[in-house]
Amino acid sequence: GAGVSQSPSNKVTEKGKDVELRCDPISGHTALYWYRQSLGQGLEFLIYFQGNSAPDKSGLPSDRFSAERTGGSVSTLTIQRTQQEDSAVYLCASSPDGNTDTQYFGPGTRLTVL
Amino acid sequence: QKEVEQDPGPLSVPEGAIVSLNCTYSNSAFQYFMWYRQYSRKGPELLMYTYSSGNKEDGRFTAQVDKSSKYISLFIRDSQPSDSATYLCAMGGNNRLAFGKGNQVVVIP
Repeated sequence: GAGVSQSPSNKVTEKGKDVELRCDPISGHTALYWYRQSLGQGLEFLIYFQGNSAPDKSGLPSDRFSAERTGGSVSTLTIQRTQQEDSAVYLCASSPDGNTDTQYFGPGTRLTVL
Repeated sequence: QKEVEQDPGPLSVPEGAIVSLNCTYSNSAFQYFMWYRQYSRKGPELLMYTYSSGNKEDGRFTAQVDKSSKYISLFIRDSQPSDSATYLCAMGGNNRLAFGKGNQVVVIP
């Protein structure tokens, strides 16, 4: 079946511009996660959505970062006024039940801020 | 101190060798332990997971957890060129995973 999909696969933007990254989770999965993977830094947790509960935003690095999940399905991660240090691969994962031992990752969006 | 420490140094081994990877962690609340494999330009895929101390085998892969020492390992026997990837350890609890930095493994034919 279809896995987690993310778009765009690559995004190049200029410093100061806003970007939107999209994640389509596996159909029926109630939990959705965003991570950031920087070179040599591993995966950094950003935000977690579970059903209709308030999202866990504890990993967002600054108020320039926000995310929403519409209708319990598609999610959009928005980065405002991008900075060069925002350059990274942004990964989305979904889980059928919120258990982190059943996360399935998408291929990621590679963001480059010039 | 980071929650999860994984020496990110690359590792090159000849085909057929045993690959040994490890991570340490500091948070005693972690309840489960995983290894992910990530090929270039792809998302991580779950390779092994375990909830308890001891060994777990799956084919050529063995995951080892020592909760008393807060230390986990992954062993790959009879390594193949197709095993060339980045391997990330992860620790879970409270609906969140903490990841190590990853080890890039290259298996040379």
